[in-house]
Amino acid sequence: DAGITQSPRHKVTETGTPVTLRCHQTENHRYMYWYRQDPGHGLRLIHYSYGVKDTDKGEVSDGYSVSRSKTEDFLLTLESATSSQTSVYFCAISENVYSNQPQHFGDGTRLSIL
Amino acid sequence: KNEVEQSPQNLTAQEGEFITINCSYSVGISALHWLQQHPGGGIVSLFMLSSGKKKHGRLIATINIQEKHSSLHITASHPRDSAVYICAVLPADSNYQLIWGAGTKLIIKP
Repeated sequence: DAGITQSPRHKVTETGTPVTLRCHQTENHRYMYWYRQDPGHGLRLIHYSYGVKDTDKGEVSDGYSVSRSKTEDFLLTLESATSSQTSVYFCAISENVYSNQPQHFGDGTRLSIL
Repeated sequence: KNEVEQSPQNLTAQEGEFITINCSYSVGISALHWLQQHPGGGIVSLFMLSSGKKKHGRLIATINIQEKHSSLHITASHPRDSAVYICAVLPADSNYQLIWGAGTKLIIKP
């Protein structure tokens, strides 16, 4: 299994508070992704990174920011959490999206915003 | 209309049955992924296809680029195959953004 660790695994917090989710990889993969998964929807890309300090927005980036200061860490921040951001968040990594390399996923973070 | 459609949405079968899950897409693609999500939530990549057919154990994935269609087959299904199976495509004009299907929930009864 690919070495991907998400923390925390579960979090409950209140509307308006800042929240940071961490994704840590030991595979030295260049590409990292944050997704959210909600009932009735497929996985939706929030942000992705194609290298240290190189990030870009996905389809549902509003209300989220990311940072990648080291190859191994990709942080997702909710500056002021809202109830609509209650979801399961998955981090994924890939070596090279253009080659025959799949994405490997972390175990997910279940986030509840009350 | 979703760009990636999976069918059926839900499938219940008896142990031992041959299972087929379908994925149709509307865009030109570079590659198609099949993934499996177990009830515990973990997501595992099963196959990445750009043409033809791939086999791993009891799982077989096929793709027809001209028809924009892929199938995932499970032979001799087992209760441990119960999971959500997800199809995702990498559009030919995309950098890194996959388009995801909503998933097919499979239940195999003993």
